[in-house]
Amino acid sequence: DSGVTQTPKHLITATGQRVTLRCSPRSGDLSVYWYQQSLDQGLQFLIQYYNGEERAKGNILERFSAQQFPDLHSELNLSSLELGDSALYFCASSPPPPSGYTFGSGTRLTVV
Amino acid sequence: AQTVTQSQPEMSVQEAETVTLSCTYDTSESNYYLFWYKQPPSRQMILVIRQEAYKQQNATENRFSVNFQKAAKSFSLKISDSQLGDTAMYFCAFMNPHGGTSYGKLTFGQGTILTVHP
Repeated sequence: DSGVTQTPKHLITATGQRVTLRCSPRSGDLSVYWYQQSLDQGLQFLIQYYNGEERAKGNILERFSAQQFPDLHSELNLSSLELGDSALYFCASSPPPPSGYTFGSGTRLTVV
Repeated sequence: AQTVTQSQPEMSVQEAETVTLSCTYDTSESNYYLFWYKQPPSRQMILVIRQEAYKQQNATENRFSVNFQKAAKSFSLKISDSQLGDTAMYFCAFMNPHGGTSYGKLTFGQGTILTVHP
């Protein structure tokens, strides 16, 4: 157990639907990062939150949004899902200042 | 923007032998972190080793060591006494630990699939 908890582990949903992925960071870590890993795209940075505030944004689609709550857990919301959104979504956390991440085990999203 | 390049899509090695995975990067920063992550078939991302750019000494972790050449912007991973459990995808990654829009963000290479044969 890395200390970063992601739920659910697997998700199968239909095109056009909306899903929410959840992440609880390691105790003491204030930063949460979301990454998408597709078969042909490698690991792509989506978004970062630090202590409840959005800190950095990557190539995140407008259909995707995220937030970090006062208890520091984070949710990634994916809407109007397309087949191409099928991927492994990782959450990671780090302490301040960042010197490395701890990754969760990922959520495998399959859009059918 | 930082870029990370892994030029070897696939590598293979016999058990107990040594293998080196290559990584180059591009940045205008003088202080940063470099990492090697391992992703076995379980898909979990596991930190293998970390190097701080301001440290001259190459990092080592048991059978894993790096050759960090700052001027050449090269960061290779050497795995000694390879084991079957080392079979995985290996990612090289760069982090800017300072402020700005890339603060704390990890930029990954495309990965190298390593297969260890018995």
